[in-house]
Amino acid sequence: DAKTTQPTSMDCAEGRAANLPCNHSTISGNEYVYWYRQIHSQGPQYIIHGLKNNETNEMASLIITEDRKSSTLILPHATLRDTAVYYCVFYNQGGKLIFGQGTELSVKP
Amino acid sequence: GAGVSQSPSNKVTEKGKDVELRCDPISGHTALYWYRQSLGQGLEFLIYFQGNSAPDKSGLPSDRFSAERTGGSVSTLTIQRTQQEDSAVYLCASSQGVSSEKLFFGSGTQLSVL
Repeated sequence: DAKTTQPTSMDCAEGRAANLPCNHSTISGNEYVYWYRQIHSQGPQYIIHGLKNNETNEMASLIITEDRKSSTLILPHATLRDTAVYYCVFYNQGGKLIFGQGTELSVKP
Repeated sequence: GAGVSQSPSNKVTEKGKDVELRCDPISGHTALYWYRQSLGQGLEFLIYFQGNSAPDKSGLPSDRFSAERTGGSVSTLTIQRTQQEDSAVYLCASSQGVSSEKLFFGSGTQLSVL
């Protein structure tokens, strides 16, 4: 199954940028990288996705390395409400999203 | 509806009883997923429906678990003879079904087996 590797946890100061890394060395050339986050007691929420080019939306920026084996999700000005578990995922050949353990981001005042 | 709806939001049952969990996906979404999340754990894939294709049941943990999707819309996840280890949050998600489309998740059903 498709596999990603993320740090278990990270801390970030409120107002600073949060940079969350993800390794996905087995990703295929036509597979998108997706990022979701899960705030406590809620269902996961889509953040952003990308294929090759860097992407930006109202929530975050996604930087994908040229070889596509890793990516970084950037929350430019983290707030306390960004405290959540962040998942980096991609579709496997069976067409389904397999989630790893994610990174628990704690934004501290 | 505006989003993925799951019911009930909470279910408490006794060991050995059967339970049914319901998911109403976003209208028009052809793909539907069930995931399970035990306390403090990540999301465990259970089953995936895509249009009229045979579902991908590769994540179902035992033959006590089954799911169906009627009319390409509402889905029911059934757990027979529940065990305490079945206690978890069961999450449903849907997508437009086009390859690499984003998922929209419901709020989940918290199942507690006593």
